[in-house]
Amino acid sequence: DTGVSQNPRHKITKRGQNVTFRCDPISEHNRLYWYRQTLGQGPEFLTYFQNEAQLEKSRLLSDRFSAERPKGSFSTLEIQRTEQGDSAMYLCASSPSYTIYFGEGSWLTVV
Amino acid sequence: TQLLEQSPQFLSIQEGENLTVYCNSSSVFSSLQWYRQEPGEGPVLLVTVVTGGEVKKLKRLTFQFGDARKDSSLHITAAQPGDTGLYLCAGEERDDKIIFGKGTRLHILP
Repeated sequence: DTGVSQNPRHKITKRGQNVTFRCDPISEHNRLYWYRQTLGQGPEFLTYFQNEAQLEKSRLLSDRFSAERPKGSFSTLEIQRTEQGDSAMYLCASSPSYTIYFGEGSWLTVV
Repeated sequence: TQLLEQSPQFLSIQEGENLTVYCNSSSVFSSLQWYRQEPGEGPVLLVTVVTGGEVKKLKRLTFQFGDARKDSSLHITAAQPGDTGLYLCAGEERDDKIIFGKGTRLHILP
């Protein structure tokens, strides 16, 4: 399967702990996006990369959130000192141009 | 950042009926995509429209991009229970950022 791969698919963590999600995009897709989605809502933009360069980070993201794409291939999204309000599905997508292809998402539950 | 407004937010209709959902913005997008999402899964691409006035058909689904590239519609003919899901539109801004509307939750009653 050469689609977008996200790990882990599910994560339950205690409030205050750090979590990291990994995204492996479709090979040769130079753009990579991270979104957050809560029940019944559309995906909310978090950040995106063109190769290894992070082009924009949403103002909705606090300093507890950081994303990297060190070699322009896979990406990680880290959330430090998690809060209950961080509970959501975190979606990664990659794109060769204007159409993006999503992974299956990583569910985060903060208890 | 541009905003995409989708309407209606919820729609419940009988099998066999036709429906149209809308995606509107006050700003121009380079392209616009429609996705369908099932619970617990990532959105799946249905179509991308790029040219103003463009119409694309996918079986019983017809997608139209407005002439000014500010709005789009999705029309479903003879809806079936399998069409049930969350329909999302997404627009590409000039800096390649892609933003989503909040979606239309469609429920087709058998």
